[in-house]
Amino acid sequence: KQEVTQIPAALSVPEGENLVLNCSFTDSAIYNLQWFRQDPGKGLTSLLLIQSSQREQTSGRLNASLDKSSGRSTLYIAASQPGDSATYLCAVRPGRGNNRLAFGKGNQVVVIP
Amino acid sequence: EPEVTQTPSHQVTQMGQEVILRCVPISNHLYFYWYRQILGQKVEFLVSFYNNEISEKSEIFDDQFSVERPDGSNFTLKIRSTKLEDSAMYFCASSNLPGLELYFGPGTRLTVL
Repeated sequence: KQEVTQIPAALSVPEGENLVLNCSFTDSAIYNLQWFRQDPGKGLTSLLLIQSSQREQTSGRLNASLDKSSGRSTLYIAASQPGDSATYLCAVRPGRGNNRLAFGKGNQVVVIP
Repeated sequence: EPEVTQTPSHQVTQMGQEVILRCVPISNHLYFYWYRQILGQKVEFLVSFYNNEISEKSEIFDDQFSVERPDGSNFTLKIRSTKLEDSAMYFCASSNLPGLELYFGPGTRLTVL
């Protein structure tokens, strides 16, 4: 059974610092990996989707890397802003036709102005 | 930008009552899902739905749960006889093709008393 772990569970950083959020998964046979943002009491906003054949994916200040063989993905957020305060969730998809995403518990981020 | 919508945002019910949670997926999407998140826990898969039938369901999705696409736009989750442990945030999601990015709605917070 796929287990997804996110470290650290929570972190606080001063505004302007770069954020590094880690996601690890136990079964490297994944189809792709998706990073989401969740604000308190709200839904999930998709940030980046990275295919198993890709090493990284970028969108604005966000960059996600994937090392499938070692079961790791990292989300980098450059020059953090208070508006980046949220929980970031990582989810892996086991196969192309399988949308049973396995989620981590999230990295709860607070950016201090 | 198209988005998934869900109603109601919050539902309070008595144990044993039936509830119906409603979702309007993105209009050209063909694959629909329900996930849930118990407070403080991971987001977990419930069911996927394609071509008017369930394509996959989790161990959580027992006989008390059912899904339906009653018309061309709505997708519903019914819980026949709610239990205290059904209290959670329920998320609807949709995608255009299997294996592609999932788009989540804002969620319905279900509270069972």
